Amino acid sequence: QVQLQESGPGLVKPSETLSLSCTVSGGSISSYHWSWIRQPPGKGLEWIGYIHNSGRTNYNPSLKSRLTISVDTSKNQVSVKLSSVTAADTAVYYCARLGYCSGGYCLPDSWGQGTLVTVSS
Amino acid sequence: EIVLTQSPGTLSLSPGERATLSCRASQSVSSSSLAWYQQKPGQAPRLLMYAASSRATGIPDRFSGSGSGTDFTLTISRLEPEDFAVYYCQHYGSSPRTFGGGTKVEIK
Repeated sequence: QVQLQESGPGLVKPSETLSLSCTVSGGSISSYHWSWIRQPPGKGLEWIGYIHNSGRTNYNPSLKSRLTISVDTSKNQVSVKLSSVTAADTAVYYCARLGYCSGGYCLPDSWGQGTLVTVSS
Repeated sequence: EIVLTQSPGTLSLSPGERATLSCRASQSVSSSSLAWYQQKPGQAPRLLMYAASSRATGIPDRFSGSGSGTDFTLTISRLEPEDFAVYYCQHYGSSPRTFGGGTKVEIK
């Protein structure tokens, strides 16, 4: 059974770059598409974007200018980088495998447990 | 960008009762590409429904979804203790794949 584990700094200073990795175990990373979703404390979910197994990416326009999602198959990791962060980027960040596919679309079938990133000086 | 509005914000019900959750889109959702998720405190969301009315693998049949266009509904026919949680709708037919604000189903 696939397992996803997010990792990275829990505290990032304003204007710096947030960098998180999601290590995938128990499954092939190259066969699937991968997504990042975040959730500010006590609030709802926000879709960040996804990376197709072809390498094509699709980003939330509100984050696109600051966002990079990538896959490193040698490390079995999916990564997200968000530059020029502010307090509004404070959230639990989830990675998810888009393994539930129907009608040409794929949805999350496996999630990491999430990691809280706080933006503060 | 499609904006999804969920109502009510909170639903207070007793186990065994029927829950009806609404998700309204600011414009028509293509191909009924609407999903529902359940999230419990401290946990990641879990996919319940896709294509508006299809249950994901392993989801009990007390959960059902309906709707098309701009109006969608998630119904839980008889609430079990484990169903008290927050529920989110999400459209996925176009980018960005926005979520609704959520409905909390709490024990009355």
